[in-house]
Amino acid sequence: AQSVTQLGSHVSVSEGALVLLRCNYSSSVPPYLFWYVQYPNQGLQLLLKYTTGATLVKGINGFEAEFKKSETSFHLTKPSAHMSDAAEYFCAVSGAGNQFYFGTGTSLTVIP
Amino acid sequence: GAGVSQSPSNKVTEKGKDVELRCDPISGHTALYWYRQSLGQGLEFLIYFQGNSAPDKSGLPSDRFSAERTGGSVSTLTIQRTQQEDSAVYLCASTQGRSSYNEQFFGPGTRLTVL
Repeated sequence: AQSVTQLGSHVSVSEGALVLLRCNYSSSVPPYLFWYVQYPNQGLQLLLKYTTGATLVKGINGFEAEFKKSETSFHLTKPSAHMSDAAEYFCAVSGAGNQFYFGTGTSLTVIP
Repeated sequence: GAGVSQSPSNKVTEKGKDVELRCDPISGHTALYWYRQSLGQGLEFLIYFQGNSAPDKSGLPSDRFSAERTGGSVSTLTIQRTQQEDSAVYLCASTQGRSSYNEQFFGPGTRLTVL
């Protein structure tokens, strides 16, 4: 069975501060891990994904995430928040079969 | 090229009525997913189509929900005898190929409100 837990449904950071959005997963098979972003009134779009290989994955808009198997985590970070980063962020896991399991999302607010 | 499109963008209906939601995936994408997004609930998997294979319906919440995909392209999600708890945003996504590590491309969603 696979599942995703996102700690913190709402995160607020000041502009220029570090962004850290937490994601922990459960998977009985080697997981594929994803972060998606949903801007207001738009569909979800892929930020980055981990499949195999390097555990530090870089995505669009300066975001990156690190796969830590020992901690079953895939936290999303960005060194310096911009106002345009305000959005809903979803972590997802897939593996055996073709189902994707999404977390409940984290709403990021950036304070000027 | 064109992305995933969904129609209508908004649908308001009365309890007990049937509704049909449409999804046009990206041309050439063989896999198509339907999800339901409720406030504070994240994305809930509903159904998955892959090519001509039998769909994975394991996420459909009740027998009032059904979906079909004609010609391996357009998909319609039908909700019969709608209930207020069906109110949500229904998202469609398509993927190229069979692998579960391929990126899903999402449509903008249909916001369903059941009065």
